[in-house]
Amino acid sequence: AQSVAQPEDQVNVAEGNPLTVKCTYSVSGNPYLFWYVQYPNRGLQFLLKYITGDNLVKGSYGFEAEFNKSQTSFHLKKPSALVSDSALYFCAVRASIKAAGNKLTFGGGTRVLVKP
Amino acid sequence: EAGVAQSPRYKIIEKRQSVAFWCNPISGHATLYWYQQILGQGPKLLIQFQNNGVVDDSQLPKDRFSAERLKGVDSTLKIQPAKLEDSAVYLCASSLAGGDAEQYFGPGTRLTVT
Repeated sequence: AQSVAQPEDQVNVAEGNPLTVKCTYSVSGNPYLFWYVQYPNRGLQFLLKYITGDNLVKGSYGFEAEFNKSQTSFHLKKPSALVSDSALYFCAVRASIKAAGNKLTFGGGTRVLVKP
Repeated sequence: EAGVAQSPRYKIIEKRQSVAFWCNPISGHATLYWYQQILGQGPKLLIQFQNNGVVDDSQLPKDRFSAERLKGVDSTLKIQPAKLEDSAVYLCASSLAGGDAEQYFGPGTRLTVT
């Protein structure tokens, strides 16, 4: 069964400092990997995805993520965090092979708090 | 482009009552998903439709939950009878066909069962 681990419940960072949110995954075969962000009382918003190709993926709002196959990781990064980046971040994985029940599996989420 | 619409936004019911949620996906999106998000957890897929056919309902508690997507557009999710543990946010999402397509989520319906 596929799974996603986000080892940190919360990440605190000062505004202007680099932000990293960790994610590791387990899936059969090659993965499709996604990051979503959730602001209070709102649905999830898509940030970026890795499908194939370049291991460094760039997404919305200055975020990027690096796919590392050997470490089965897909950490989310932002060079300079803003107070408005404070939100709940979810990593998700889906197997690339077409099979019945090939669902998107989410991690438990990491709350990011950016302090002024 | 209009996003995924859901209603109602909030619902409070007593246990053993029934409730229904409605979702209107982004125009042209063939795939529609219903997720349950319990406080402090990531979303869990309940059911996935491709057009008006069910692709995956393996995690849907079929003794009390049901869902339909008539005409391959709007969808409804029903709970009957509700239990206390059904208190959660119910998220609807839609996407283009294909496992590599990102999903677009609605604002969710927050259900409280008392």
